[in-house]
Amino acid sequence: GQQVMQIPQYQHVQEGEDFTTYCNSSTTLSNIQWYKQRPGGHPVFLIQLVKSGEVKKQKRLTFQFGEAKKNSSLHITATQTTDVGTYFCAGEGNNDMRFGAGTRLTVKP
Amino acid sequence: EPEVTQTPSHQVTQMGQEVILRCVPISNHLYFYWYRQILGQKVEFLVSFYNNEISEKSEIFDDQFSVERPDGSNFTLKIRSTKLEDSAMYFCASSEGARANTGELFFGEGSRLTVL
Repeated sequence: GQQVMQIPQYQHVQEGEDFTTYCNSSTTLSNIQWYKQRPGGHPVFLIQLVKSGEVKKQKRLTFQFGEAKKNSSLHITATQTTDVGTYFCAGEGNNDMRFGAGTRLTVKP
Repeated sequence: EPEVTQTPSHQVTQMGQEVILRCVPISNHLYFYWYRQILGQKVEFLVSFYNNEISEKSEIFDDQFSVERPDGSNFTLKIRSTKLEDSAMYFCASSEGARANTGELFFGEGSRLTVL
């Protein structure tokens, strides 16, 4: 079945540093979504990418979808303490949305 | 703002007991999902449900699990005979999208299941 791999598992940064998490799928995806889960909370939708090579920005967050629609990245510029949480990518294959393992981001003030 | 609601928020049960977790998806949504998350681990897909039938299920969703939409609003996950390893947070989600582009998943707050 479809698998979505995500790295790194953990990332600890100093406030103001950049952060990137990467996702790779074993199969071509129809779209990819990104979610953020705060400690003790539930996943909250950030964005969906559909087109090959698509790049979308949300303030300090930049999302990319690879040309082959098998990989994606989320980059945060100048992290803030409010960015703390686990970031998951979720790739859609047939009728399911499979999540990556997540990258847990901690930010030291 | 419409939201997905789940009950109970926490359930403690003895191994071997049956458990039913309940969800009320957002009313105009077409796709419903169950995911589980063992503490500190990834969000694992269990099952998707569309047009009153299972659309896709994962290898985790074995014969011990079943889902049902008993009326127009509820979506339930039943675990027939719970095992210790079923202890996890179970998230229900719904989306309004179509096949292969289901759109944003709206998650409920989760039901924490503890099996003793």
